[in-house]
Amino acid sequence: QVQLQQWGAGLLKPSETLSLTCAVYGGSFTGYYWTWIRQPPGRGLEWLGQIMHSGTTNYNPSLKSRITISVDTSKNQFSLRVNSVTAADTAVYYCARLPLVDWNLDYWGQGILVTVAS
Amino acid sequence: QSVLTQPPSVSGAPGQRVTISCTGSSSNIGAGYDVHWYQQFLGAAPKLLIYGNNNRPSGVPDRFSGSQSGTSGSLAITGLQAEDEADYYCQSYDISLSGVVFGGGTKVTVL
Repeated sequence: QVQLQQWGAGLLKPSETLSLTCAVYGGSFTGYYWTWIRQPPGRGLEWLGQIMHSGTTNYNPSLKSRITISVDTSKNQFSLRVNSVTAADTAVYYCARLPLVDWNLDYWGQGILVTVAS
Repeated sequence: QSVLTQPPSVSGAPGQRVTISCTGSSSNIGAGYDVHWYQQFLGAAPKLLIYGNNNRPSGVPDRFSGSQSGTSGSLAITGLQAEDEADYYCQSYDISLSGVVFGGGTKVTVL
């Protein structure tokens, strides 16, 4: 049974750095893209970026200058950092697994609400 | 603005059939990437409902079905039930973006 468990700070001030980590339990860590997605309150889903176990990354161009995704294969974890946050970064942040063959998001973390407010 | 286009809302009476369209382009659905569908209840993470255009994960009722043609996909719910009231998102992969793309979401209301 695959489980994704995520954690990180839920309240930030403008200009601070958002930092979240997602741990993967069960299943293989290879053969997938490990993905970050966010959902602003009352709005739709937005793909932020993804990383493979090798460290290969792809980022959404709209956030590319502020976002870093990293991986720790020794712990089966991957992390998200977003620099210089503003109120527009307030959202529920999800981690998810993306199989390289099927390209669907088959397992999701529980989600963390990150609020940016002064 | 989302890369994939969905209607904001659809509604139907219990027992009726509703469909949700998902329109993409030649860089995602039209490039041969499958359409996938997710169901999301308020306060919960999205759940994979349909994968690979028309496949249901274990446990998903067979009243949910999907299809794909050209640059579009579609989700159908037959025999609509009150418990189907939720938000539904389509998703594909985009070769230009090298990443996941979503529709804006469709709210299904059971009248």
